[in-house]
Amino acid sequence: DAGITQSPRYKITETGRQVTLMCHQTWSHSYMFWYRQDLGHGLRLIYYSAAADITDKGEVPDGYVVSRSKTENFPLTLESATRSQTSVYFCASSQGVEGYEQYFGPGTRLTVT
Amino acid sequence: KNQVEQSPQSLIILEGKNCTLQCNYTVSPFSNLRWYKQDTGRGPVSLTIMTFSENTKSNGRYTATLDADTKQSSLHITASQLSDSASYICVVTPRGTASKLTFGTGTRLQVTL
Repeated sequence: DAGITQSPRYKITETGRQVTLMCHQTWSHSYMFWYRQDLGHGLRLIYYSAAADITDKGEVPDGYVVSRSKTENFPLTLESATRSQTSVYFCASSQGVEGYEQYFGPGTRLTVT
Repeated sequence: KNQVEQSPQSLIILEGKNCTLQCNYTVSPFSNLRWYKQDTGRGPVSLTIMTFSENTKSNGRYTATLDADTKQSSLHITASQLSDSASYICVVTPRGTASKLTFGTGTRLQVTL
């Protein structure tokens, strides 16, 4: 199916473990983004990518690693999960940035115990 | 720091009634302002996007207005339906850093019978 998908949709992990959240889009959009959404905060940008092999930090990048070897995939890795990383994570993609629509995935709810 | 503030935080209205949601921002200069709808457990979906030179934009029963001088926007929902129950998020794109959107915390709307 076309669109943007995320996996897993739900994940529970323990403090200190490494976790990878997957994001896949079928539109061949150049830009991809990772956000986290927490109560009392708007969505906050973690990392974004303008193209394969080009990534840049957003507002809250500490503790996260991204890669983009293929245009359609943009995985987000928590190298050593902490309780403060309990959140809902959204991936998004767009053709460009200035005035272009961002299309969001369904989200991954991550709980770190 | 660029900020986007929305009011009210939550709102309950009867089906068929109209409502208006507010967004005040300090982002300057800005490129565009967007309104998103986010259903519970899902990713945000775009409703409207306006450049700084536009005053109003409609999408069906949704009408967004923008006053760039006062840095205010509103989203008016006409003849509300139960399916309008969702969070509505105001998002401002700073000019020059178009990849880094500034999100409001949203207004939670509940439409009841």
